[in-house]
Amino acid sequence: GQQVMQIPQYQHVQEGEDFTTYCNSSTTLSNIQWYKQRPGGHPVFLIQLVKSGEVKKQKRLTFQFGEAKKNSSLHITATQTTDVGTYFCAGRSGRDDKIIFGKGTRLHILP
Amino acid sequence: DAGITQSPRHKVTETGTPVTLRCHQTENHRYMYWYRQDPGHGLRLIHYSYGVKDTDKGEVSDGYSVSRSKTEDFLLTLESATSSQTSVYFCAISGPLVGEVFEQFFGPGTRLTVL
Repeated sequence: GQQVMQIPQYQHVQEGEDFTTYCNSSTTLSNIQWYKQRPGGHPVFLIQLVKSGEVKKQKRLTFQFGEAKKNSSLHITATQTTDVGTYFCAGRSGRDDKIIFGKGTRLHILP
Repeated sequence: DAGITQSPRHKVTETGTPVTLRCHQTENHRYMYWYRQDPGHGLRLIHYSYGVKDTDKGEVSDGYSVSRSKTEDFLLTLESATSSQTSVYFCAISGPLVGEVFEQFFGPGTRLTVL
């Protein structure tokens, strides 16, 4: 079945450093979504990528979708304490109604 | 935040007892999902619904059943709870499609402990 792998599992960075999390799917995706979950909270939708090679930016966050639509990345520039949390990618294949989540990358910011 | 609530928010039960978790939405969204979240496993789909009385299994459906008799309510039942079902359970909703964006809105979660 479809699998979505996400690395790294944990990342500790100094405040102000950059952070990147990577997502890889075993199958070609129709789209990929990214979610953020703050400690003790619930996942919150960040963005969806659909097109091959697509790049989207939200302030300090840059999202990329690979040319083959099997991988994606989230890059945060100059991290801040508000970026703390777990970032999940979630991929959808074809027209299936199910979304498969990666296991997430937990970001910890060192002051 | 989307109008989605879960009840109860916390529950402690004993092995072998039945447990029902409720998800209620006020958004009239078509799709509803139940996930469980465990350390090291991320979010795993248990069951989902694509309409009233229309449900399908996810990747970890064994030991769980669901029902959706109304658009706004999606129930998750553990017929005979086991300790391995100790977890945080999230309900999510999505739809209608807006420009092909299938965003999921998550509820606050239910923390279930099975002793």
